[in-house]
Amino acid sequence: QSVLTQPPSASGTPGQRVTISCSGSSSNIGGNTVNWYQQLPGTAPKLLIYSNNERPSGVPDRFSGSKSGTSASLAITGLQSEDEADYYCAAWDDSLNAVVFGGGTKLTVL
Amino acid sequence: EVQLLDSGGGLGQPGGSLRLSCAASGFTFSSYAMSWVRQAPEKGLEWVSGISGSGGTTYYADSVKGRFTISRDNSKNTLYLRMNSLRAEDTAVYYCGKGGLARPNSSWLDYWGQGTLVTVSS
Repeated sequence: QSVLTQPPSASGTPGQRVTISCSGSSSNIGGNTVNWYQQLPGTAPKLLIYSNNERPSGVPDRFSGSKSGTSASLAITGLQSEDEADYYCAAWDDSLNAVVFGGGTKLTVL
Repeated sequence: EVQLLDSGGGLGQPGGSLRLSCAASGFTFSSYAMSWVRQAPEKGLEWVSGISGSGGTTYYADSVKGRFTISRDNSKNTLYLRMNSLRAEDTAVYYCGKGGLARPNSSWLDYWGQGTLVTVSS
């Protein structure tokens, strides 16, 4: 049972917009920034969004992040086949004094 | 170019020890926090431990507290994870991650190593 809650799966067709939610509490998302990671099959995770809504250089602007209260979301527009991957949200938890991850969402491009 | 090279994984005995290393290059190592994150087979990501740029502040997940020790040698640009009292549930791919900040109390990891597999079994 992960501290941050994500849907286990999401799907969309090429060109569509997909959103992935991440729900937490006041001790993590509510009081700290959220980061998102993309893990392509068989590879190490890669930073996708940092500080709630910032994109590292090289990440397409099709990816965007937002945060409101104790929840965060990752949106992907213009879905492409290469976006098929696992997506994880993460935040620092002030009560646990630890980084907490969501359980991950497997995105399928139909 | 930032590079992180994880090593030291392998087969460990239950109750035994292993030491993982992460050799860093391409950035001022001492200026950034570092973390270890693991992924059990077919499971999600689990943060294990973090350390400040100076090495003076460390944090651990409850699942490894008292058994694992994170450390760094800034003169060698290397991060370590000493794993004692190994359990079957420690079996996972272990990744080192470069923090986006000097402080370790952040989930911002902007670069990751390729991972090293630890298998705990008799």
